[in-house]
Amino acid sequence: QQQVKQSPQSLIVQKGGISIINCAYENTAFDYFPWYQQFPGKGPALLIAIRPDVSEKKEGRFTISFNKSAKQFSLHIMDSQPGDSATYFCAASGNQFYFGTGTSLTVIP
Amino acid sequence: DARVTQTPRHKVTEMGQEVTMRCQPILGHNTVFWYRQTMMQGLELLAYFRNRAPLDDSGMPKDRFSAEMPDATLATLKIQPSEPRDSAVYFCASGFLPNSPLHFGNGTRLTVT
Repeated sequence: QQQVKQSPQSLIVQKGGISIINCAYENTAFDYFPWYQQFPGKGPALLIAIRPDVSEKKEGRFTISFNKSAKQFSLHIMDSQPGDSATYFCAASGNQFYFGTGTSLTVIP
Repeated sequence: DARVTQTPRHKVTEMGQEVTMRCQPILGHNTVFWYRQTMMQGLELLAYFRNRAPLDDSGMPKDRFSAEMPDATLATLKIQPSEPRDSAVYFCASGFLPNSPLHFGNGTRLTVT
């Protein structure tokens, strides 16, 4: 059973637009929800993370929205830039980490 | 800036050969993961260790893969014998779990011909 479901698989956004990636999780015991950004040839790098006691966390142009009752969380990238073009993974963690299947984001100049 | 170090970065080998990948986790981290990444499968968990003890290696083909952590500064992943279907990027990641981020290395790109 897939513990974390991520959508969409790929996303194309115009420069300056908003990119939105969604994730849903199964296990209510998860209590840490990070997003990772991966560029070609590199390992995934932590972008932003949230714990379930808050509904939103913002760092610069990146915002996580968290809905505990729906067991869903999403990443919003405001004013998307070509440099944001990368693969994004959501994850959910307790004692173990479970990753989504990734979203390939392309920001068109 | 502490980081996870993986060696080698690239490995090309022939089918049937033994492959050893190494990882130096960040000092003080208590958990080490091995992942395999392919275009089709995303990030696939192979094995992980907590305080050097193996906790889960159900993602590994046991007949050919083995993972060990001989000391706190070294984790190894071995494939013997290697097969073309093992071609992928293998990532090591470490963290102080639970509820803290994982830090990834830059991976070993394995090509088995």
